[in-house]
Amino acid sequence: QKEVEQNSGPLSVPEGAIASLNCTYSDRGSQSFFWYRQYSGKSPELIMSIYSNGDKEDGRFTAQLNKASQYVSLLIRDSQPSDSATYLCAVRRSMDSNYQLIWGAGTKLIIKP
Amino acid sequence: DAMVIQNPRYQVTQFGKPVTLSCSQTLNHNVMYWYQQKSSQAPKLLFHYYDKDFNNEADTPDNFQSRRPNTSFCFLDIRSPGLGDAAMYLCATSRTVAGVVEKLFFGSGTQLSVL
Repeated sequence: QKEVEQNSGPLSVPEGAIASLNCTYSDRGSQSFFWYRQYSGKSPELIMSIYSNGDKEDGRFTAQLNKASQYVSLLIRDSQPSDSATYLCAVRRSMDSNYQLIWGAGTKLIIKP
Repeated sequence: DAMVIQNPRYQVTQFGKPVTLSCSQTLNHNVMYWYQQKSSQAPKLLFHYYDKDFNNEADTPDNFQSRRPNTSFCFLDIRSPGLGDAAMYLCATSRTVAGVVEKLFFGSGTQLSVL
């Protein structure tokens, strides 16, 4: 079992709809959770970070964390073609692994005009 | 704007010919990282510096080395590149606050090709 798992996709969503991206992780002691967006040939760009259970909203983006079920999700409302990218989930484990992020392989999102 | 700068954006080298990739930052972050990312894969951490302390990942090949002469600069040296080393190399920085590492800021990456 991978430490951080994401469906590789591609996930195809019509423009204007809600895109839902999911990530599960194996280490119950994980502390911090991040969503990065990566366009083809570019470097990852931080979209959202979340540290406690519940929802965190920032513009069209909402991150949801459920530590009991060990999953974190990213919702993108009013999806735009410019949201088409690969979305990487990254998890920071417990404090003894403070410097290492564990990465999922990413979900490729395609927004269809 | 404060940022993480990687040079060059594209690097072509020959099989076995040493190559150096560079990274600089104006964020004054104390932690710097080098990642390797191949197509459709997650970034793979090669090593990181916490201030001057060097930390090598267990599975990083000996062919890869790094230098951090000061807070602002970090270099990745590949002593004898093989075809399997062709990848995007990402430099990232972060800072620690009360011992907790904050989010990573990435440079634009260097795409390395090995001929």
